[in-house]
Parts: sequence; C-alpha cells; structure tokens
Amino acid sequence: GENVEQHPSTLSVQEGDSAVIKCTYSDSASNYFPWYKQELGKRPQLIIDIRSNVGEKKDQRIAVTLNKTAKHFSLHITETQPEDSAVYFCAASKRSNDYKLSFGAGTTVTVRA
Amino acid sequence: SQTIHQWPATLVQPVGSPLSLECTVEGTSNPNLYWYRQAAGRGLQLLFYSVGIGQISSEVPQNLSASRPQDRQFILSSKKLLLSDSGFYLCAWSVGGSETQYFGPGTRLLVL
Repeated sequence: GENVEQHPSTLSVQEGDSAVIKCTYSDSASNYFPWYKQELGKRPQLIIDIRSNVGEKKDQRIAVTLNKTAKHFSLHITETQPEDSAVYFCAASKRSNDYKLSFGAGTTVTVRA
Repeated sequence: SQTIHQWPATLVQPVGSPLSLECTVEGTSNPNLYWYRQAAGRGLQLLFYSVGIGQISSEVPQNLSASRPQDRQFILSSKKLLLSDSGFYLCAWSVGGSETQYFGPGTRLLVL
C-alpha cells in the first residue's frame, strides 16, 4: 500500500518567517494530495489540496507544490502568524471507489511571537 | 450544505465494557464514510471505511467493528473495550466519486 513520510516532525518559526513541510509518497499511482491542519483538541481541517495534473497551487499565504517525478510534495506557509500554530498532516490517495487517504505522521508547527 | 455529527463528544468507559459511537452525515446521499483513531499526540489511523449501506472494509484487525445500517449513518462498536482503545475517534465523509474527505468533530474516548 501507499506509504507517506512527512518531515520535519516539529518546526518552530519566528512570526513573519516562512514554514515548509515536506512529504514523500511511494505509490506512483497516487494523484490526490491534501493537507490538513489540526488545532489542539479539534478535528483536522482541510486547508489546501492538489491533484497530479497541477504542479503548484496557492491560496493566500499557503501554497503546495508537487513533484511527481520525485514523488514528493510540500506545504509552504508564508508570513507566519501565531494562529498558524497547529499540527499539519499531509496525505495521498489514488483514484478508486474507496478513495482511502494515507496520512503522514504530522508536523507540529509552533510560531513564536 | 453538508454537515457531519458525532456523538457522544466525550466518553469514559471501564475496561471490558461495550462501546457504540455514532456518526451521521446530512445534506448528501451515498457518501463514502470512514472511521479513524488518533492516539494522544499521534497521527491518524484508518480503522474502517464504507462505500455503501452494509459494505464495510476493515483496515486494522482489532476488537472493534463497524456497521452502516443507513446511507448516512456509520457506527463504531466494541463488545469489550481495552485500555489501548483510548483515543480520539474521528468520522469522515466524502462525496461518492470525490477524494476530498471532511472530518466530524470527533469523540474523545478514555478507557480506564
């Protein structure tokens, strides 16, 4: 099955700096890559996703890049703010009738004021 | 718009007791449904998924079971809870034919 690895496991950044989280996947058939943000005690919330026919997608301060050849994708957060502090999960899936997601282990991001 | 409900929100149960967690989705039909467990400070482990009424697939062998008695209802059960069953149980749904999953508010289970 699909194996998704996520790095780093923890990330501390100064407010206003950028944060980058990287994920690799093993199954070349995977074609959908979402990112979720989970605040303490809350449910994971989808913040951005990308499909394999696109190399980059941006939504305000958040961007995701995908390199299909290398089988890795990254989340970029610019101008970080304290409210960006959370655990971020990447995931991957391929087209099938179940659309199961394989999740990375998560990255705890702390934005220092 | 679609909404997903889970209850109870929190639950404290003794070891060996039964369990029933419920998840319901509103505003959509024939969704794919998923049960995940998240241990404290850990990632998301897929337990079960369902692509239709009565269709259940298990990802991890354990003392839990799942059922889907109605199109938009997904139930997670156990006959005898173990200490290791403690965690945050999340139900998720996706529209049939779409990869995007949305999570419910979760049930926090503590087994003592």
